[in-house]
Amino acid sequence: NAGVTQTPKFQVLKTGQSMTLQCAQDMNHNSMYWYRQDPGMGLRLIYYSASEGTTDKGEVPNGYNVSRLNKREFSLRLESAAPSQTSVYFCAISIQGKAGELFFGEGSRLTVL
Amino acid sequence: GDSVTQMEGPVTLSEEAFLTINCTYTATGYPSLFWYVQYPGEGLQLLLKATKADDKGSNKGFEATYRKETTSFHLEKGSVQVSDSAVYFCALIRGSARQLTFGSGTQLTVLP
Repeated sequence: NAGVTQTPKFQVLKTGQSMTLQCAQDMNHNSMYWYRQDPGMGLRLIYYSASEGTTDKGEVPNGYNVSRLNKREFSLRLESAAPSQTSVYFCAISIQGKAGELFFGEGSRLTVL
Repeated sequence: GDSVTQMEGPVTLSEEAFLTINCTYTATGYPSLFWYVQYPGEGLQLLLKATKADDKGSNKGFEATYRKETTSFHLEKGSVQVSDSAVYFCALIRGSARQLTFGSGTQLTVLP
C-alpha cells in the first residue's frame, strides 16, 4: 500500500501507558482518517481531518487525540491506554473529488494488556 | 442514521463455485455504494462502486448492482479462486457526508 505509511505496525502496551500512531501520505490529498477495526464490528471512524489544521470527531473518539501536523501527516495518540483499545488501527486518505473512495495504510495492531 | 447490513460469515466455498455476499442498507436520499476487500495482513482496497440506482459496478470478475427498490448491493462472482479469500466490506456514503458507513464484513475462504 505505497502512498500511506503507518508506524508502528505492531505495539504492545500496558494499561495506562501512552503512545502515538503515525500516519504519513505521499499522495497530496487533503482528507485523512483514523479507523479502528474490531472483529464483527467492521470499521469505525475515530477522527478525521478534512485539511491541514482541522480535525473532527468520528463515531468513537473517546480516549483518543489527533494532530494534523501538516498536509502529509496525521497522528493518533492514546494518552492512557485501556484494554478496550486493543484493536487494529487504519489510517486512510480520501481521493479528492471521489467521495467514499479511500486509500488505506496496512494497519497498526495494538494490544493493551 | 445510516446503516449497512451484510450477511454473516464465514463463507467457505470450493474453487470455481458461485459467490453471493448479501448487502442491504438503510439511508435517506441516494447514497453511493461500495465494496471493499481486505486480504490477510493488509489494509482495505476499493473493489467496486456504484453511484446511482441500477448502476452495476464491476472489477476483477466481481459485480454488484445498485437496487434502490430493495435497498441492496449484493456482491457476486461467477467462479471464485483461492486468491479471492479475504474479508469483504459493503459501505455507503451520502451526498456531502465526509465519512463512509461500513458493514461488519464477511470472511470468505475459498478451498482448492
